[in-house]
Amino acid sequence: DAKTTQPPSMDCAEGRAANLPCNHSTISGNEYVYWYRQIHSQGPQYIIHGLKNNETNEMASLIITEDRKSSTLILPHATLRDTAVYYCIVRVASNTGKLIFGQGTTLQVKP
Amino acid sequence: EAGVVQSPRYKIIEKKQPVAFWCNPISGHNTLYWYRQNLGQGPELLIRYENEEAVDDSQLPKDRFSAERLKGVDSTLKIQPAELGDSAVYLCASSFGAVDRADYEQYFGPGTRLTVT
Repeated sequence: DAKTTQPPSMDCAEGRAANLPCNHSTISGNEYVYWYRQIHSQGPQYIIHGLKNNETNEMASLIITEDRKSSTLILPHATLRDTAVYYCIVRVASNTGKLIFGQGTTLQVKP
Repeated sequence: EAGVVQSPRYKIIEKKQPVAFWCNPISGHNTLYWYRQNLGQGPELLIRYENEEAVDDSQLPKDRFSAERLKGVDSTLKIQPAELGDSAVYLCASSFGAVDRADYEQYFGPGTRLTVT
């Protein structure tokens, strides 16, 4: 599975959009981009995933560049409850199901 | 719908003692995972079950760790004897569907925080 690179930490003002970048320059054509987050003292929570098209759900939007070498997770109106570690993960559809977590980005939403 | 249930939430033991963690996955989920998360790090997979079969235990330290999922539902992870370096959060996750699909989610429990003194 391709490795990802994320900034270790980011701040965001409450109510503003939080844009979390992820580089995955070695991603293969059959690898998906997944985002999970982990709020303090909880297990990771699935947010969204995509292959090549931009995706949106009730939690967030995922923007994937045309060359698929990077992506951005967007939380449109961040709240204090969005403070968490955000993990960007790439994996193929036919692997063993293992999620390989990096160190993620710690997002601090400030009032 | 209940999520993944884990117990206990916290456990403090002395080194060389045994310890066990229990996990009940979401109803109907045939795939169950145990992860270990060290402080400041992302979770790392220890073992994955498809129903009652352990299909990936390559990262499980088999000299002291064991796991079982006898009826393909709940699971137990055991450490015997525990070492200081085993202090971590042990997470259980479950999912539904074939592992060769990308459009499935892993649902995680809250974890068990183990402290070995």
